[in-house]
Amino acid sequence: QVQLQESGPGLVKPSETLSLTCTVSGGSISSYYWSWIRQPPGKGLEWIGYIYYSGSTNYNPSLKSRVTISVDTSKNQFSLKLSSVTAADTAVYYCARPLRFFDLWPLDVWGKGTTVTVSS
Amino acid sequence: EIVLTQSPATLSLSPGERATLSCRASQSVSSYLAWYQQKPGQAPRLLIYDASNRATGIPARFSGSGSGTDFTLTISSLEPEDFAVYYCQQRSNWPPRMAFGQGTKLEIK
Repeated sequence: QVQLQESGPGLVKPSETLSLTCTVSGGSISSYYWSWIRQPPGKGLEWIGYIYYSGSTNYNPSLKSRVTISVDTSKNQFSLKLSSVTAADTAVYYCARPLRFFDLWPLDVWGKGTTVTVSS
Repeated sequence: EIVLTQSPATLSLSPGERATLSCRASQSVSSYLAWYQQKPGQAPRLLIYDASNRATGIPARFSGSGSGTDFTLTISSLEPEDFAVYYCQQRSNWPPRMAFGQGTKLEIK
């Protein structure tokens, strides 16, 4: 059974770059789209973007100028970088995989999430 | 950009009652609509996809309906474990993106 695990620093300073990695276990990263989603404290879910295993990406327009998602198939990992962070980027960050290998949606397998706080 | 609006924001019901949650899209999303359940401290769980298909392991008391711009999640008889926040999500074909509604909190009355 596929499992996802987010990892990365829990505290990032304002104006710096947030970097997270999602490790895929129990299955291959190949043939799927892989998404990042975040949830600020007490608020709703926000889709950040996705990457296809081959490397093509698409991002939420509201974050596009600051987001980069990359994939490392040799390590079965994909990563998120969010630059110039502010307190508004404080959130629980989730990685997720869709139900069907040929589609980016719906999101069927989720990591447990990792909390990132932006503070000096 | 397609916007999803969920209503009500909060729904207060008792166990055994029927719950009806609504999700309205600002433009047609065909049947590209999913529903998720999220409990405190947990990741969301996929309940319904393609508007009306139950995900694996989801009890039959959960059902989804609708197409185009108006969608409904119905829980036929609430169990204590159903009290949670529910989100709808749409997928657009071009550009290929997805977005969530703001959520409906289902609380015990």
